[in-house]
Amino acid sequence: ILNVEQSPQSLHVQEGDSTNFTCSFPSSNFYALHWYRWETAKSPEALFVMTLNGDEKKKGRISATLNTKEGYSYLYIKGSQPEDSATYLCAFYLGNSGNTPLVFGKGTRLSVIA
Amino acid sequence: KAGVTQTPRYLIKTRGQQVTLSCSPISGHRSVSWYQQTPGQGLQFLFEYFSETQRNKGNFPGRFSGRQFSNSRSEMNVSTLELGDSALYLCASSLYASGTNNEQFFGPGTRLTVL
Repeated sequence: ILNVEQSPQSLHVQEGDSTNFTCSFPSSNFYALHWYRWETAKSPEALFVMTLNGDEKKKGRISATLNTKEGYSYLYIKGSQPEDSATYLCAFYLGNSGNTPLVFGKGTRLSVIA
Repeated sequence: KAGVTQTPRYLIKTRGQQVTLSCSPISGHRSVSWYQQTPGQGLQFLFEYFSETQRNKGNFPGRFSGRQFSNSRSEMNVSTLELGDSALYLCASSLYASGTNNEQFFGPGTRLTVL
């Protein structure tokens, strides 16, 4: 993997369902990974900055894990609500010093149906 | 604390013209990054400025340029506009330069349409 890849591209879930999606990145030269939420007609908003293998972070019903050795991060949403509908972006520094810009994935578009 | 502001919010230009977009970061933030988003693409990095110096530049032609002023406000300029430059241009500010793990705060974007 030379860039950040996110899957699935889009997801439709029912209100109350729990869901998760994946961000894959080059496992060599890891520095840090960011997760952002981008709601329609708003600006992207930072969710998590993850730096250490095994990191687990949580914000309300949203949590994320990080595996730098295998090059992936999972974002989990427990009990999805309509207000969780957004595009979730992950971004990765393509280098081990962080002296490179963030490379963004194309995002996972989540739609929560009431 | 005021968020990141971008002006103008919408812009229509014709091919061959040039355009200047402005970004005012959150007060105290010294790093400003610019991104382009086109349909079907993720955010594509244009450049980053920190303390008036360009730290990084993305893979864009020389028609795309930028600068940062002493008050951390930043401008990006696109000369000789092409149809493919139609996009949403986002800027993001952060307290420190990229690579220090600090999150970025995004502005609302400027929607540029080139006819």
